[in-house]
Amino acid sequence: GAVVSQHPSWVICKSGTSVKIECRSLDFQATTMFWYRQFPKQSLMLMATSNEGSKATYEQGVEKDKFLINHASLTLSTLTVTSAHPEDSSFYICSARRTSGAAREQFFGPGTRLTVL
Amino acid sequence: GQQLNQSPQSMFIQEGEDVSMNCTSSSIFNTWLWYKQDPGEGPVLLIALYKAGELTSNGRLTAQFGITRKDSFLNISASIPSDVGIYFCAGHLWGNDMRFGAGTRLTVKP
Repeated sequence: GAVVSQHPSWVICKSGTSVKIECRSLDFQATTMFWYRQFPKQSLMLMATSNEGSKATYEQGVEKDKFLINHASLTLSTLTVTSAHPEDSSFYICSARRTSGAAREQFFGPGTRLTVL
Repeated sequence: GQQLNQSPQSMFIQEGEDVSMNCTSSSIFNTWLWYKQDPGEGPVLLIALYKAGELTSNGRLTAQFGITRKDSFLNISASIPSDVGIYFCAGHLWGNDMRFGAGTRLTVKP
């Protein structure tokens, strides 16, 4: 159990276009999902926390109008990179938190590699 | 930003050797988690620790939640080539806040 999927696994787009990435928890409900980006050979950097039915909370320095997050159901969160530029090229990873009693386990999706030309 | 100090940054070991890595922080954490990330993949949860002093094993992996709640270590015994990857520690503070270490890149020579 505790599988998180992401779609697409990779995407190449032209500068100025928008890209949507989906994150789904397949076998559990997640009221909270997280979006990270990871540059080569670096750790994961939290971009935003997505709560089902409410607005996302963005980390300092992350533009909320550029990285639109929607968490419309307990199993789906989407990240839309609007007007993408080459500097947005990165590995985007989502995770979903499964809460059971005192346990707080976060499970990650396989990641989406975005390349902006 | 990151509040966890993970060491070592990288390790080059021979197959069969044991491995030890750790994370320390100036903050107290409620939960410690250890993940492994293969190239081009998302991190996979290895071990989750919920109580100070807790020692948990998962096959050849053993992790402990430090008594002070400010540190944790991960040991891998009898390493094999498929242990290659990046290992991240993560500490959960409160609410939704979880912080990641910078990672330990493990290379295992056959």
